[in-house]
Amino acid sequence: GDSVTQTEGLVTLTEGLPVMLNCTYQTIYSNPFLFWYVQHLNESPRLLLKSFTDNKRTEHQGFHATLHKSSSSFHLQKSSAQLSDSALYYCALSDLPGTGSNRLTFGKGTKFSLIP
Amino acid sequence: EAGVTQSPRYAVLQEGQAVSFWCDPISGHDTLYWYQQPRDQGPQLLVYFRDEAVIDNSQLPSDRFSAVRPKGTNSTLKIQSAKQGDTATYLCASSPYWGGAEQYFGPGTRLTVL
Repeated sequence: GDSVTQTEGLVTLTEGLPVMLNCTYQTIYSNPFLFWYVQHLNESPRLLLKSFTDNKRTEHQGFHATLHKSSSSFHLQKSSAQLSDSALYYCALSDLPGTGSNRLTFGKGTKFSLIP
Repeated sequence: EAGVTQSPRYAVLQEGQAVSFWCDPISGHDTLYWYQQPRDQGPQLLVYFRDEAVIDNSQLPSDRFSAVRPKGTNSTLKIQSAKQGDTATYLCASSPYWGGAEQYFGPGTRLTVL
C-alpha cells in the first residue's frame, strides 16, 4: 500500500533560521497529489500547501515545497522560521486523483518547535 | 460559511461501553471522511463517503465500528464496545469530490476509554 515517511520526532530551531522538513512517499500511482497539513496545538489539521505537478515550486504563507517524482519527495521549506510556525506538520498523499477520490495517507508527523 | 462541526468534543468511557460521534460537513461538500488520530500520530482514515454511499471502509474495524451517512449530509460514527486501544481523537473532514481537493477538518472528538 501507499506510505509517507517524514522526519520523525521533534525538530527544534532558533527563530530566524531556515528549516526543511523531509517527506518521501511510496505509491504505485504515477500522478499522486502531495499535501502538507499543519496542526497547531489543540486545533485540527488545515491545509498548508499541495502539489500535483512535477518539479514545480508551490508556495503559501512563506513556506514552499517542490514535488520531485524522480526521488518521490516533497520536502517543506521556509527561509526564516517564526515562533508562530511551531506546530505539527503532516505530509500526506492522495493516491487516486484520476478518479476524483481524495483518500489521504498521512505520515506520522513532524513536531516543529522554535526557540526565541 | 460554517466549518465542519462535530459533537461531542470529549467522551470518557469504560471498556465495553458504546459511543456515537456526530459530524455536520460544510454545505455542498459531497465527500465526508472519518479519521482516527491516536496521540502523537497522524490521522488514519477509517471510512469515507460520497453522498450517502460508502466509498472505502476497509480500515474500519467492522466488528465494533460502524458509520452511516443516510441522507448524504450529516454522518454518525459509532463504536459498539469500546476498548482502551480506541483512545484517540476522531476527526471528521469534508471536501468536494475531485482529485486534490482540500479536506476541511472539524474540531474532533477526543475519546478516552478507561
